[in-house]
Amino acid sequence: GAVVSQHPSRVICKSGTSVKIECRSLDFQATTMFWYRQFPKKSLMLMATSNEGSKATYEQGVEKDKFLINHASLTLSTLTVTSAHPEDSSFYICSARDLGLAVYEQYFGPGTRLTVT
Amino acid sequence: AQSVTQPDIHITVSEGASLELRCNYSYGATPYLFWYVQSPGQGLQLLLKYFSGDTLVQGIKGFEAEFKRSQSSFNLRKPSVHWSDAAEYFCAVPRSGAGSYQLTFGKGTKLSVIP
Repeated sequence: GAVVSQHPSRVICKSGTSVKIECRSLDFQATTMFWYRQFPKKSLMLMATSNEGSKATYEQGVEKDKFLINHASLTLSTLTVTSAHPEDSSFYICSARDLGLAVYEQYFGPGTRLTVT
Repeated sequence: AQSVTQPDIHITVSEGASLELRCNYSYGATPYLFWYVQSPGQGLQLLLKYFSGDTLVQGIKGFEAEFKRSQSSFNLRKPSVHWSDAAEYFCAVPRSGAGSYQLTFGKGTKLSVIP
């Protein structure tokens, strides 16, 4: 089946630094990838939609200058949290849409736990 | 806008008992419907989906769901729950006007299983 990986699975960084999270589709091409944020005991909040070769579309209230998204290839999207602060600590999950699959079907990565100290 | 409601925040069942998790949706046309499961600290795994056809959908891990248009529901069921089924379950539908194939998720139902 379709596999999506995320790296790193856990990261701790100091306040003010930047951290990059990678999302890869391992065995399929993903023209569209999605980035979610999940707070404890909460549902997934869509942050942005990333299309290969074009600028990401951010959801209302998500700072595009803080959460930089790059989707440079059909198998890789990155989320960079710039100048991280403790309130950015969260579980970040990416998903990818397979070109060959039915519409709306997404495969999810295992998530990245970000802790900002 | 399309929306999905999961009325039960937390459900506890005994191992071996049957399970039904509720999902109600608001959707303008024939909906695409999804159930995902999330184990603690993990991403989401697709359990099953409904696009069209037979309203009773079989999924992985022994789960099934039934699409009932008259009730705007897509409830998830399992006849006999295993301890490993303890997880968070999310129902999802496409967002309104979602040209980029975005999904809207319910708030989730946490399932606890008593041995």
